[in-house]
Amino acid sequence: QITLKESGPTLVKPTQTLTLTCTFSGFSLSTSGVGVGWIRQPPGKALEWLALIYWNDDKRYSPSLKSRLTITKDTSKNQVVLTMTNMDPVDTATYYCAHTYYDFWSGYYSAFDIWGQGTMVTVSS
Amino acid sequence: EIVLTQSPGTLSLSPGERATLSCRASQSVSSSYLAWYQQKPGQAPRLLIYGASSRATGIPDRFSGSGSGTDFTLTISRLEPEDFAVYYCQQYGSSLYSFGQGTKLEIK
Repeated sequence: QITLKESGPTLVKPTQTLTLTCTFSGFSLSTSGVGVGWIRQPPGKALEWLALIYWNDDKRYSPSLKSRLTITKDTSKNQVVLTMTNMDPVDTATYYCAHTYYDFWSGYYSAFDIWGQGTMVTVSS
Repeated sequence: EIVLTQSPGTLSLSPGERATLSCRASQSVSSSYLAWYQQKPGQAPRLLIYGASSRATGIPDRFSGSGSGTDFTLTISRLEPEDFAVYYCQQYGSSLYSFGQGTKLEIK
């Protein structure tokens, strides 16, 4: 059974750097094809894709946020870490991590099939 | 970057009715890498449809997806009370992913 759980600060000040951790079980990021993505959702608004990392350290970022984001993985701890610099009140949102994979047999990517419960981050002085 | 536009913004229907939700892409979505998610208040999104038309594990067959290229549709054949929620489309599988702005399906 695959599960993911996000953790990190609930409150950060403007200009600070946010560090979020996604701790997962039921799969390994050392397994070929596996990936973990980050998505956020401001209160009452739509989902926004942020970043994605695959088992081979292939990393992808939202163009609008690329300069502020870094995604890394710690395979031994079953964790993926997302850092976002220069936080602003507009970054207030629930941040989700989610599982995805590339199926080598079919040659197709999966969507985000399993999601964490999300963690709410408020940016305020 | 592919921009996804969902319509309508809000859809008011009664249980038992048929729901048709639209998702239009600003450019062709490769290999039909189009997914649909359902989100209820206070919950994480749940994957309903992937590859434009394949149902995810455990999704009832009243949910169906269709389309290709730039035009995609999610159809709920006969609405159950638990289907009233917000629905998002997403394109994936390329270097950059994106979500639509959502369609709220509310009880009439």
